[in-house]
Amino acid sequence: DIVMTQSPLSLPVTPGEPASISCRSSQSLLDSDDGNTYLDWYLQKPGQSPQLLIYMVSSRASGVPDRFSGSGSGTDFTLKISRVEADDVGVYYCMQRIEFPFTFGPGTKVDIK
Amino acid sequence: QLVQSGAEVKKPGASVKVSCKASGYTFTDYGISWVRHAPGQGLEWMGWISGYNGDTKYKEKFQGRVTMTTDTSTNTAYLEMRSLRSDDTATYYCARDHDTQADYWGQGTLVIVSA
Repeated sequence: DIVMTQSPLSLPVTPGEPASISCRSSQSLLDSDDGNTYLDWYLQKPGQSPQLLIYMVSSRASGVPDRFSGSGSGTDFTLKISRVEADDVGVYYCMQRIEFPFTFGPGTKVDIK
Repeated sequence: QLVQSGAEVKKPGASVKVSCKASGYTFTDYGISWVRHAPGQGLEWMGWISGYNGDTKYKEKFQGRVTMTTDTSTNTAYLEMRSLRSDDTATYYCARDHDTQADYWGQGTLVIVSA
């Protein structure tokens, strides 16, 4: 199985400041057949279901503010929040979907300082 | 929209079947992934089922103990888990899943396994 790692695992943030989460995979998430890279980002807010933020590394899901951006390639990926808001608290997960079984990273807990 | 069945309390060794009713889209155009969230743990992908033909992909640790099915007449997906253990206590989520994203999620079903 592809192993996903994230850093940091805990991220205290200040509203209005930027934040960044790193995600690494144990093997490349680039599909050489179609040229796509299959890496998603999800946010699970307290008491809620997970919600899709970013798919295919950098495509924002419908309704996701442009404060959120994804980047990366191969095995190294980053989720950035340009200006954190109080509503952004929760646990952020990256997930690979290039092959079964899909696997999540351990999660990064973001809270307000 | 994905609406899941209600919370369940089961004894160790029992079985549970969780439902996930889809609406607002063509059920057979998408698959359904099942993901669980145990207390204090991260998200765990359990498996995927095609809404088109019922093909399944299971995480190996669940193979033989979990069955995912669909009923296209009611646009409902099911997750059945047998031989429940205390460490199966978790909230179970279904999510609409196609090639590139899991974009709609159910509200979750809490399953408690306790003697």
